Amino acid sequence: DAKTTQPPSMDCAEGRAANLPCNHSTISGNEYVYWYRQIHSQGPQYIIHGLKNNETNEMASLIITEDRKSSTLILPHATLRDTAVYYCIVRVGNRDDKIIFGKGTRLHILP
Amino acid sequence: EPEVTQTPSHQVTQMGQEVILRCVPISNHLYFYWYRQILGQKVEFLVSFYNNEISEKSEIFDDQFSVERPDGSNFTLKIRSTKLEDSAMYFCATTPGFADTQYFGPGTRLTVL
Repeated sequence: DAKTTQPPSMDCAEGRAANLPCNHSTISGNEYVYWYRQIHSQGPQYIIHGLKNNETNEMASLIITEDRKSSTLILPHATLRDTAVYYCIVRVGNRDDKIIFGKGTRLHILP
Repeated sequence: EPEVTQTPSHQVTQMGQEVILRCVPISNHLYFYWYRQILGQKVEFLVSFYNNEISEKSEIFDDQFSVERPDGSNFTLKIRSTKLEDSAMYFCATTPGFADTQYFGPGTRLTVL
């Protein structure tokens, strides 16, 4: 079973920052937080991952709380193309091979 | 940017027929995976493959399923005798190293009639 909890759905206005929360209260010290998204019926797309420091790339920012029990994925300027299901996943680096997907958060970007 | 590709994009077959789904991994990737997603359900792990051997397989991956890398480039998933419940999207994923970030292909939609 997935080790994370995410809201089933969220709305965000186009042009605004989309903040997607994820709870992973049982995370271990060697587990990374990964985010993927799946645009309707397409393959999951890697977004970002981190261990304990905040991370940023061209797609998004990942904010991990100091106790690492939760994190937030931030899409800084959401567009209609960001409408997708977003998956928060925890994996042990160098050990967890397969990805176990949960139900994710269905993000609707509103025009 | 290198991508994982999959063919065909859509396969329709009759129950009991054999199907082969194909994946071309990113060129320097060594670990390969198949996942499936039944309509409206979660993405599920099927099998992982490295060095021409299955590393891990799920309960779903029964004797009807097989994987191989026949020519050093394509990575294939074969279903010997398809059932109605095999209808799903099948995704290939690849990664350069063990437990690295996985990159997924666009998927093959399999419809079993």
